[in-house]
Amino acid sequence: GQNIDQPTEMTATEGAIVQINCTYQTSGFNGLFWYQQHAGEAPTFLSYNVLDGLEEKGRFSSFLSRSKGYSYLLLKELQMKDSASYLCAVMDSNYQLIWGAGTKLIIKP
Amino acid sequence: IAGITQAPTSQILAAGRRMTLRCTQDMRHNAMYWYRQDLGLGLRLIHYSNTAGTTGKGEVPDGYSVSRANTDDFPLTLASAVPSQTSVYFCASSGTSGTGELFFGEGSRLTVL
Repeated sequence: GQNIDQPTEMTATEGAIVQINCTYQTSGFNGLFWYQQHAGEAPTFLSYNVLDGLEEKGRFSSFLSRSKGYSYLLLKELQMKDSASYLCAVMDSNYQLIWGAGTKLIIKP
Repeated sequence: IAGITQAPTSQILAAGRRMTLRCTQDMRHNAMYWYRQDLGLGLRLIHYSNTAGTTGKGEVPDGYSVSRANTDDFPLTLASAVPSQTSVYFCASSGTSGTGELFFGEGSRLTVL
């Protein structure tokens, strides 16, 4: 079966750095996506990786290793507004998105 | 700029009743999707449409139906609601099918008693 694993919850301190991991097993691979979802709101697109390596976008970076079935989202200089759930999703061989359950990130002052 | 609009925002429904969740987008996107989100589970695809006039079944289609008469509208109907359909429903769209960059509506919280 297809599976996306990410930690349920993480806690970090304002101003610090946090890494949210995602491992996947899917039938085929056509890209990995990270979304941010604040409580009670819609998910919003953060990043897309299809080749191995690091993609940087401001304070957020996303890394992919296809051979390991592994990705991480790195958040730097954490701000209180970064408190949210972060969803990892993989596009399979049928171009369908398979979603992880999300990681709830709690930022403490 | 509205993006995607869903209605209603929230609804409590008696089991056995029929319910239609509305979804309208103004981005002229070809592909549209309906997901449900339940605590502890990832988003699960109910139905999708790659372009107006076509629809397809997702991972959890049973008990739901959709139509895509035009580009902008993609309603989701529960023919006879059951308590297991209590969930938050998200409509989403993308410029083309096969892209993972989706734009989501604000969600419809449905409670079936």
